[in-house]
Order: sequence, then structure tokens, then C-alpha cells
Amino acid sequence: AQKITQTQPGMFVQEKEAVTLDCTYDTSDPSYGLFWYKQPSSGEMIFLIYQGSYDQQNATEGRYSLNFQKARKSANLVISASQLGDSAMYFCAMREGQGGNQFYFGTGTSLTVIP
Amino acid sequence: KAGVTQTPRYLIKTRGQQVTLSCSPISGHRSVSWYQQTPGQGLQFLFEYFSETQRNKGNFPGRFSGRQFSNSRSEMNVSTLELGDSALYLCASSLGLAGYGSDEQFFGPGTRLTVL
Repeated sequence: AQKITQTQPGMFVQEKEAVTLDCTYDTSDPSYGLFWYKQPSSGEMIFLIYQGSYDQQNATEGRYSLNFQKARKSANLVISASQLGDSAMYFCAMREGQGGNQFYFGTGTSLTVIP
Repeated sequence: KAGVTQTPRYLIKTRGQQVTLSCSPISGHRSVSWYQQTPGQGLQFLFEYFSETQRNKGNFPGRFSGRQFSNSRSEMNVSTLELGDSALYLCASSLGLAGYGSDEQFFGPGTRLTVL
């Protein structure tokens, strides 16, 4: 089974609107961390936000927030007030507590912000 | 603080050749992970090195190997190149605090390998 599933290959959003990128994960480890990365066309991966499995509150970093629903095993990324520079690939990733430092990545979602 | 650097940035090889890619992590980071990225496949984990030892390994054939030096710099080698090895190879460094925690990976710009 896939550790990380991103079911939206491509998404479009109007500039200044909010958008949610979906991510579900699969693990039996009670300790894990969830990460979101952005990859612009230049290719470099940029860390956006982190959520730990024991964190009580949803993580937020500026315009990025993580909608963490533990029972559903989902960790959706919400981008508020989209900007043209947000157009990129977005990857969800997980690291398990018992798995050393190995990250599992999803296949990504391509986001296009429309002016 | 300087970021993760990878050399070379672009590489063109022919089938059957071998190639070595280099990664210099952020100063103080002891963990280096390597990923292969191809269109539609996301990032496929190759291996992770920590303190000169391979700590994790993905599901790739033995043609893919790596090593890490005492200064945490890492190299990845691919022998007997195949057309399917054409990809963006990304290196990521972190403190290497295994398991739960916000020890995120910082990525380099990647090496784009084309096999003809």
C-alpha cells in the first residue's frame, strides 16, 4: 500500500482565493511526522510546513495551514490568498517514528494560480 | 548558512556508462538522503547516509550505490546506465534525528541526468 496518496494530479485556483491540496497517509506507527514541500519549475524542493502526530493543533506557517484529521489519516494543505508565485508542484511526505530518517513522498499535485 | 549543493547540475551520458553525483549538505547536518524523481513518479527514495553509514535503503537495484565521507559530503554512483535512469536526482540533508520530530530535509537543486 502507498504510504502517501495525493489524488489531485492538477489543481487550478483563482488568484487571492484559498485552495486545499489533499493528502492521505497510511501508517501503523503512532509516532510520525507529516511534511509539505513545494517544487517550483526550477526544481528545488522548498519545505513549507510540518505536523507531528501528537500535535494537538493544526500547524500554520503564514499563508499555509495544515488541516490534520488524524482519524481519517489526512493532512491537507490549505493555501490562503493564492498568489501567482504559488504555481508549482506540491508534495506531501511522511516520516515514521520507527523508520529512521526515511521520508515517503506522494506523487504530487500541480497547482496553477490563474490571474 | 550555505544551502545544500549538488554537482554537476546537468549530465549527459550514454547507456552502459557509469556516473558519480556529489552532494554537500548544510553545515552541521549529518544525514544525507538521495531521491530519484521522474515525471509522474514523485520522489523515489534511494538511500540515506548518516555518519558515513547507510542507514536506510530504498528499492533500487545494486547499480545504485552511495557513500558518505567524514565531512558528511555524499556521493551517489550509478553503474551500467540504462535509458530509464534519466531523471532528476535530488539530495537532501538534515540533522538526522531519526523518527518523530520536525527535523525537515533541506533539498539541493538536483542533478538532471540524461542517458542517451
